[in-house]
Amino acid sequence: DGGITQSPKYLFRKEGQNVTLSCEQNLNHDAMYWYRQDPGQGLRLIYYSQIVNDFQKGDIAEGYSVSREKKESFPLTVTSAQKNPTAFYLCASRPQGVGEQYFGPGTRLTVT
Amino acid sequence: SQQGEEDPQALSIQEGENATMNCSYKTSINNLQWYRQNSGRGLVHLILIRSNEREKHSGRLRVTLDTSKKSSSLLITASRAADTASYFCATDAGTNAGKSTFGDGTTLTVKP
Repeated sequence: DGGITQSPKYLFRKEGQNVTLSCEQNLNHDAMYWYRQDPGQGLRLIYYSQIVNDFQKGDIAEGYSVSREKKESFPLTVTSAQKNPTAFYLCASRPQGVGEQYFGPGTRLTVT
Repeated sequence: SQQGEEDPQALSIQEGENATMNCSYKTSINNLQWYRQNSGRGLVHLILIRSNEREKHSGRLRVTLDTSKKSSSLLITASRAADTASYFCATDAGTNAGKSTFGDGTTLTVKP
């Protein structure tokens, strides 16, 4: 059953702690993406990767870090430097860097 | 700034009516995609229209693209309560290879 998974669905952390969000795909897609969505807003691009061992900053990369050691995995770390980390985080993938994106179910992060 | 901007921000209609939402963008594009998002879920791809296409259909969905006006519209015919969701456009621009830019979305409510 092919798809893109994110875990956990809900995540709670204390301010000052780093937290890593998981994103895994078995679609054999080269490109993967992380977006942040705030209530009532659209998606803002955090980081993206078009190939293993390479990634680029999106529009709001400050306070976030990523790695792409395997084609299937693109974890996102929300660091303590991120001023307002509470948000809904969406991971997506697509075969190449253009066209339809396939989204995971999202992780809702709450930092208090 | 957002490449895609949807209009209206919110739309409320009765079941059976048609729903039209619009997307405007700023730079030249390779393609434009429409997505649907149910509350608290990931996005689902609906339809992609390439820059050399003017109209596409998929079931009850009809998408038009006017590159001279840098705008697109999504028409949902004979709407159902299950169509209640947020709808987003996204563009792949030629100058931003590898990443899409999303608008803020239109929230559609279909009353039974």
